[in-house]
Formats: sequence, C-alpha cells, structure tokens
Amino acid sequence: DTGVSQNPRHKITKRGQNVTFRCDPISEHNRLYWYRQTLGQGPEFLTYFQNEAQLEKSRLLSDRFSAERPKGSFSTLEIQRTEQGDSAMYLCASSLPGPLGYGYTFGSGTRLTVV
Amino acid sequence: GEDVEQSLFLSVREGDSSVINCTYTDSSSTYLYWYKQEPGAGLQLLTYIFSNMDMKQDQRLTVLLNKKDKHLSLRIADTQTGDSAIYFCAESPTGNQFYFGTGTSLTVIP
Repeated sequence: DTGVSQNPRHKITKRGQNVTFRCDPISEHNRLYWYRQTLGQGPEFLTYFQNEAQLEKSRLLSDRFSAERPKGSFSTLEIQRTEQGDSAMYLCASSLPGPLGYGYTFGSGTRLTVV
Repeated sequence: GEDVEQSLFLSVREGDSSVINCTYTDSSSTYLYWYKQEPGAGLQLLTYIFSNMDMKQDQRLTVLLNKKDKHLSLRIADTQTGDSAIYFCAESPTGNQFYFGTGTSLTVIP
C-alpha cells in the first residue's frame, strides 16, 4: 500500500458545475477524513467516517457538499453548484482508531479552481 | 471554536537553529502535533508530544510545551535547505480531527 491516494490532482471547473473527488485510504485504516485548505491557511476539518458511517460534519460543510463512503473503503466528496469561494485544496486523510497521530496519513490533495 | 496561532514567516541561515512558535486555546488536547508541508505535497507528521510532557526530542527536532501558557514550540537544529517548508502546529481536543494553525513558512538561506 502506497499511502492515501487522491484523484484527480487538479480540477478546473466553471462556476455552477458539479465536481466529485475521490480518496482511497490506506487499506487497513477504517477512519477517513476530509479537510479543506485555502491559500495561506491551515487545513480545516470538513467531515470524517468510521467505516461507512459519517460520524461528524463541520459547519463548513454546506448543503452543496456531500461525502460518502459506501463500502467503508474509498470515499467521494461532491460539490454541487460550485462557487469561486470553493477554490481550495481538498485533503483526505486516513487512520486507525486510537490516539491521533497513530498512522494518521494525509494524501497529496485535489486542487480545485473554480473559474 | 479552537484557535491555533502561529507567526507567518521565519528565515534562517543554513546551519543555524530554527524555532517555530505556536499558541493554542483548548487545554483538553491529549496530544499536540507538528506537521510539515512541502510545495505540492500533503502534510507530513513530524512529531507529536503528549500533553503531560514538557519536552520531547527526536533527532534534530525538539518540542517544548508550556501548558500554563498554552505555548508550543518546535526547534530544528542545524537547519538545512531541505527543511524549507510550511510548518503547522495542530491540536485535537476531541480526538476526531485536527485544528491546525495558519502555518509558518520557513525559508533556509544557503
């Protein structure tokens, strides 16, 4: 296993379009997290899953955002009716349960540009 | 919400020590962390410290924690050009997600 994989690496879309990103976690990790990072800021938590259950959602996750992890393996993050303010790096991470830092691994992210 | 603050920029000469500082607000975090982010790359965990410790040393890295002042620092000894990156401190009060600082951009001058 080579780590957390995110696709695509870059996405340019027109305002109003829908986009979907995919994250493949480390195979034995049952926790999966989504973060958003805007320029000059640290990553901000969006949501996390334990297996297929979505356990927590940030208030940053507006109604236009939806995340799924249907079989407890890969996850998708969809943004509907994109806005320019959605332009950011979307990071995925996965971990084993237990004290954070243990195996918590980030992917390289998907950079979204809304024009 | 949780507030984690860092200075934005730090510039040091190669071979000198770098000290990156961070203040946080939530004292319930069991662990506090330092992450490194290089251009175009994801976040890499550098080190973390248990909240009942004052200091942790890991090769060239030294983490100091002042719980009373809610102050965390990362010292990099013998800084190299490969250490140029953005460094984030982070806390996790609930154990489910990280709260990151804004990041300190470290530039190492050859």
